[in-house]
Parts: sequence; structure tokens; C-alpha cells
Amino acid sequence: ETGVTQTPRHLVMGMTNKKSLKCEQHLGHNAMYWYKQSAKKPLELMFVYSLEERVENNSVPSRFSPECPNSSHLFLHLHTLQPEDSALYLCASSQERSEFDTQYFGPGTRLTVL
Amino acid sequence: AQSVTQPDIHITVSEGASLELRCNYSYGATPYLFWYVQSPGQGLQLLLKYFSGDTLVQGIKGFEAEFKRSQSSFNLRKPSVHWSDAAEYFCAVAPRYDKIIFGKGTRLHILP
Repeated sequence: ETGVTQTPRHLVMGMTNKKSLKCEQHLGHNAMYWYKQSAKKPLELMFVYSLEERVENNSVPSRFSPECPNSSHLFLHLHTLQPEDSALYLCASSQERSEFDTQYFGPGTRLTVL
Repeated sequence: AQSVTQPDIHITVSEGASLELRCNYSYGATPYLFWYVQSPGQGLQLLLKYFSGDTLVQGIKGFEAEFKRSQSSFNLRKPSVHWSDAAEYFCAVAPRYDKIIFGKGTRLHILP
């Protein structure tokens, strides 16, 4: 069990579409994260939220727009994506925004951009 | 810049054999160190982590890791692997006051 759910699990979209990924954590954590996992590349941290405030944005293109309406929910809004954005997008949460806190991951959304 | 190296992309071992997965990091001070596992279709799950103290760390599922400061290594070990251990394993480091960095992963295959 992870306590972190992500929907949808799979998504196929065209470059002109707008879609959103959803993450929900049931662990009472205060920090949430978005990661991108591409083939043959290390896991890349995209965004970090702590107590619903964005605390980190690692040079992610503006076509990715995160939203954290409360400490349990995290969204990633997608628009005008490129084929190279196809990847597994993982959401994670931790008790606090601390380097040592264990991060709990969701199963991911497999995104394909045509 | 800090980095994490997992030199083996794939490793194949027979069921019941011992396992060691290598991880080296590049950082001036000792960072926080982690091993995560990712089973097919799943997110990552923490196996163990090291901050300070005893350099041999015990984790879940029978895994352990040893921190060697002189070699900047944090290798993962298991005395006897099971078919269910087939997965991808990620070493990660988190320098103090900085973001976590993951290695590229090692995919473990188990022969029956």
C-alpha cells in the first residue's frame, strides 16, 4: 500500500490538448512532489509543495502547471505538450519538506503525447 | 555538482543467490542516502535510508546497505534473492538543504 493515488493511470493526448493529472495522498502529509520518469534518464524532480505553497520549481517548462488546492491534493495541468514529454509522471508525498523524510510514491500516470 | 552513479544497468542473479547493487555518489559532505525499489507498474518504495551512525543499515524485505565514506559508496545487499525481488532499484542522495537526486537505476532479473 502506498497511500498515494494517481489518476488517470494512462493518458494519451495530442499536442494541442489540455489535460490534468491528479494525485491524492491519504497519509496526512504536508509536502507533495511531482517527478518525471523517462526511459534511460534519472528520475527528475519537477515541483515541490509544502503546506500548499510551491517551494521548488526545477526549471520546468511553462506547459506544465502545478496546482495544490490543499495538502491532500496535487494536480499537474498539461497544455501544448511535445512528444518528448511522454513519460511516467510520479507523485509523492512526505510528512514534511525535509531531505531525510521518506517519500511515498503513487503508481504514476503513463503519459503519451502524439 | 553532486551526482549519483549506478554502474550496472542490468543485473541477473539466480534465485537464492546473493545480491549486491552498487551505488557511488559525488558530494563534498556525507549526504542522506536512500535505496528505493520500483516494481513493474508501481511507484517507488523506500527500502532503507542512511543519515548517520552505524554504517550498516537494515531495511525492509531483507535488504541491507553499507555506507563506506572512503569509497563514497552505498551498496545494497541481500543474502538470498527471491523471484519477487525482480524490479528496478534506485539509489538516491539528498545533500543537506538541497533536493534529492536519483541514480538511473539497476534492473534486477532473477533466474529460476
